[in-house]
Amino acid sequence: GIQVEQSPPDLILQEGANSTLRCNFSDSVNNLQWFHQNPWGQLINLFYIPSGTKQNGRLSATTVATERYSLLYISSSQTTDSGVYFCAVEQEGYNTDKLIFGTGTRLQVFP
Amino acid sequence: DGGITQSPKYLFRKEGQNVTLSCEQNLNHDAMYWYRQDPGQGLRLIYYSQIVNDFQKGDIAEGYSVSREKKESFPLTVTSAQKNPTAFYLCASSYRDRTNTEAFFGQGTRLTVV
Repeated sequence: GIQVEQSPPDLILQEGANSTLRCNFSDSVNNLQWFHQNPWGQLINLFYIPSGTKQNGRLSATTVATERYSLLYISSSQTTDSGVYFCAVEQEGYNTDKLIFGTGTRLQVFP
Repeated sequence: DGGITQSPKYLFRKEGQNVTLSCEQNLNHDAMYWYRQDPGQGLRLIYYSQIVNDFQKGDIAEGYSVSREKKESFPLTVTSAQKNPTAFYLCASSYRDRTNTEAFFGQGTRLTVV
């Protein structure tokens, strides 16, 4: 099956810093999503981005499907950005709608 | 409000008892999923259903069972055969439209077996 790897596994930032999170996947995908899991465990949808670039406030994401990676950019980080960031993909050609998750990047933002 | 509702939020059970976790959605989504998350880990797929009255095993289906009698509902039963049931369980749903298969998650159920 498809492999999804995220880097770095852990990231510690001071408030106001910028960061880039990476998601590599081993096969072509129909769907790629970025989620933020808050300290209460809730998964919040950040981006649905199988290809191209999107922006939402301080967050933006780029997926280069032909090179099998996606990047999540966080600018001017805030303490509320802390939590775990997951990317998840649906492998192309399987028609199952199954999302396969990466292992996540744990972000801690300190004041 | 449209969304996915999981209940209860916290659940405690004695070892050897079966327990059923509820997941309801009013988004008119065709597909529904159950994931398990252990502390510090990612999400692993237990079962998924693309249509009413049909469901498929995910990567870690042993010790779990599901049903999909209604489009809105996809309950998960954790049976006594599940060796280590204590975990955080997340339910999700999505459209099966080829142009958009974005998935949305409920708030989760924390199951503790004592």
